[in-house]
Amino acid sequence: GAGVSQTPSNKVTEKGKYVELRCDPISGHTALYWYRQSLGQGPEFLIYFQGTGAADDSGLPNDRFFAVRPEGSVSTLKIQRTERGDSAVYLCASSLTSVGSYNEQFFGPGTRLTVL
Amino acid sequence: RKEVEQDPGPFNVPEGATVAFNCTYSNSASQSFFWYRQDCRKEPKLLMSVYSSGNEDGRFTAQLNRASQYISLLIRDSKLSDSATYLCVVNSFYNQGGKLIFGQGTELSVKP
Repeated sequence: GAGVSQTPSNKVTEKGKYVELRCDPISGHTALYWYRQSLGQGPEFLIYFQGTGAADDSGLPNDRFFAVRPEGSVSTLKIQRTERGDSAVYLCASSLTSVGSYNEQFFGPGTRLTVL
Repeated sequence: RKEVEQDPGPFNVPEGATVAFNCTYSNSASQSFFWYRQDCRKEPKLLMSVYSSGNEDGRFTAQLNRASQYISLLIRDSKLSDSATYLCVVNSFYNQGGKLIFGQGTELSVKP
């Protein structure tokens, strides 16, 4: 079946602009995660959703970052007033659920964001 | 101090070699442990979970020492296709999926 998909695959924007990154999880997966990976580093947790609600948003770096998942499926990560330091690969992952014993997280290919 | 620390490498080894990666974690409440593999410009993929009793999957052996907060991965008989970055990962909550905490990754390059 289809894996996690993310669009766009690449996004180049100018400092100060607003961007939206989209994640389409594996069908039937109720948990959805966003991570950010800078060059030479491991992925860094941003936020995760169980269903429509954000269960843990402790990784969002500041209030310029916001994510939604209104219908419990597709999620959008929104970044306002982008800064050069926001340049990274934004990874989305999904799992069957986040409740109970650990469920494997499956990652999408990521969106490479470049802020000029 | 980072919550999960790894030697970034790179490790350059010949085909057939045995290579070991180490990782330490700082949060003693961590409950689940994993090794992920990430190929260049690709997404991370789960390689194997790590259990206190140690576990093996073919040429790969993972060990966990909770007392020392130390995780290891051993790769025997390295193949060219093993070249990738290996990420040590912990999950702090036992009965929740929750967030994964990644180390910075150890790069492995297997040469002919």
